[in-house]
Amino acid sequence: AQTVTQSQPEMSVQEAETVTLSCTYDTSESDYYLFWYKQPPSRQMILVIRQEAYKQQNATENRFSVNFQKAAKSFSLKISDSQLGDAAMYFCAYRRVTQGGSEKLVFGKGTKLTVNP
Amino acid sequence: DTAVSQTPKYLVTQMGNDKSIKCEQNLGHDTMYWYKQDSKKFLKIMFSYNNKELIINETVPNRFSPKSPDKAHLNLHINSLELGDSAVYFCASSQNLQGNIQYFGAGTRLSVL
Repeated sequence: AQTVTQSQPEMSVQEAETVTLSCTYDTSESDYYLFWYKQPPSRQMILVIRQEAYKQQNATENRFSVNFQKAAKSFSLKISDSQLGDAAMYFCAYRRVTQGGSEKLVFGKGTKLTVNP
Repeated sequence: DTAVSQTPKYLVTQMGNDKSIKCEQNLGHDTMYWYKQDSKKFLKIMFSYNNKELIINETVPNRFSPKSPDKAHLNLHINSLELGDSAVYFCASSQNLQGNIQYFGAGTRLSVL
């Protein structure tokens, strides 16, 4: 079974600084998707960024970028120029690629990010 | 317009009661999901449906019965509520079975007293 591990239950960063959230996963599949979701206090789950495993290039979305190390099964999220609105729970998630049948998202336990002014 | 909407946002009820949570998506997606987030924030899949057909049932007690009257709706009915059912329940949808992006509703916080 696939598992996703986020080893940092909590992280904090100063406003305008950079922070990296860690995620590792375990799978025997060669093709899959990886995601970072953000859950602010409003509870809404918001997709931050996604990575397709067959792509070597790291995904980037504005201030958010990932460091995808397929051999190491590592998928960290870097937030640059942190803003107060970035404060939230961040969940790393994995989804297998299949030809048929829907595939569930497997989530890590989350990292609570605090942004200090 | 809200893409995936759940009602109610909050639900407080007594043990033993039966309750329903509704979910609707206006994205034209074929596939819908229910996830449960426990008190420690751990999110786990419960069910998925594709075009009104059950695809995933992740060993959820049969007190939980999802119902999909059409592909835009996936409601969750829970019988004989227990204290351990207290959680936040999230509905999500994706374009189809292969759709790799799931869009989430805002969640329903269920409190069983």
